Amino acid sequence: NAGVTQTPKFQVLKTGQSMTLQCAQDMNHEYMSWYRQDPGMGLRLIHYSVGAGITDQGEVPNGYNVSRSTTEDFPLRLLSAAPSQTSVYFCASSSWGLAGAHGGAGELFFGEGSRLTVL
Amino acid sequence: ELKVEQNPLFLSMQEGKNYTIYCNYSTTSDRLYWYRQDPGKSLESLFVLLSNGAVKQEGRLMASLDTKARLSTLHITAAVHDLSATYFCAVEANNNDMRFGAGTRLTVKP
Repeated sequence: NAGVTQTPKFQVLKTGQSMTLQCAQDMNHEYMSWYRQDPGMGLRLIHYSVGAGITDQGEVPNGYNVSRSTTEDFPLRLLSAAPSQTSVYFCASSSWGLAGAHGGAGELFFGEGSRLTVL
Repeated sequence: ELKVEQNPLFLSMQEGKNYTIYCNYSTTSDRLYWYRQDPGKSLESLFVLLSNGAVKQEGRLMASLDTKARLSTLHITAAVHDLSATYFCAVEANNNDMRFGAGTRLTVKP
């Protein structure tokens, strides 16, 4: 029972490099999201998706892209890494449906996290 | 914009004592969640509170929600060392956005 799987767990980038954080879930959840966690700031939502082919911006979307071609996968792309993107990134999924039509309890199931350092 | 504030941010308590963590939020919502995070680990769901007056209990932790006051509390009874962790509340906005508080780092000392 894998749940939410994130890769890689650790990554060091140089400023200007691009990379993709992978996220996959095997719970058939419609809702998937990416958060970043910085000390003293809790978790901040980067992007989210309520189903395949549907994505939307969260609180801090700049510098990141996402796509959702399948229910299972929700990769996060850093286009041109900056030191300000040094953080721990969490992917999460939920059985939420579309806004106003929640099918489940709404709790998020998190991956193990990816620690990214940008030099 | 939905804002979520937790207090205290740091809490050091002795084993056997009781204490309450507070979570205030700024706009109407009737869905609030509590999560626990151990150092270097991911977050796990503790409680889901879906209506005004909801109360959930698990072991030494009890969470409640007052949607009129826009306040949730996480009460710790007779703390034990195993409860040492960071606790986050999160509030669901209407647009599928879930906003987290900054977290309360709890340390339980013998």
